[in-house]
Amino acid sequence: GEDVEQSLFLSVREGDSSVINCTYTDSSSTYLYWYKQEPGAGLQLLTYIFSNMDMKQDQRLTVLLNKKDKHLSLRIADTQTGDSAIYFCAEKDGNTGKLIFGQGTTLQVKP
Amino acid sequence: DAGVIQSPRHEVTEMGQEVTLRCKPISGHDYLFWYRQTMMRGLELLIYFNNNVPIDDSGMPEDRFSAKMPNASFSTLKIQPSEPRDSAVYFCASTETSGRSGANVLTFGAGSRLTVL
Repeated sequence: GEDVEQSLFLSVREGDSSVINCTYTDSSSTYLYWYKQEPGAGLQLLTYIFSNMDMKQDQRLTVLLNKKDKHLSLRIADTQTGDSAIYFCAEKDGNTGKLIFGQGTTLQVKP
Repeated sequence: DAGVIQSPRHEVTEMGQEVTLRCKPISGHDYLFWYRQTMMRGLELLIYFNNNVPIDDSGMPEDRFSAKMPNASFSTLKIQPSEPRDSAVYFCASTETSGRSGANVLTFGAGSRLTVL
């Protein structure tokens, strides 16, 4: 079945850039998403990208999509302590329309 | 809109008891999803509804779990009898229809943290 994989943990210093990576297996994916989960809260959409795009930028966030390698990344510029959270990658199955989530990457930002 | 509303936020119960989790989706959203989050298994889709009708319940772990959506503004997830391995955070999410060609932007509730002793 479809699978989405992420590394589990990333630690960066405040002010540095963070890059969170994700790989997926479904070649029929239509949309790919990044969600953020803060402690004790639900997931909140950060951004999404259509599968025929290779880059999307939104303020400090840059999403890169390599469809050939089925690789998605989220770059956070000038990372702040408030960016500490779990980041989930998700892909929309092109056949069923369901969202398949990765395990989440915990981002720790050190002051 | 107040967003997706879930209750209770926290529930502690003893093994064997019935647990009912509740969800109110965003008004106008016609898709509703129930997810379970654990450290070991991450975020799992349990079931989802479209226009109050269950579409895919293949993620429901076993017969002890059931979900209903009697109307467009209310859904329940019931566990009977509960077991310690059901301890998790249960999320409800909703979205507007966009079909397979559109972006499904899910709005999540804050979750219900269930602890079964």
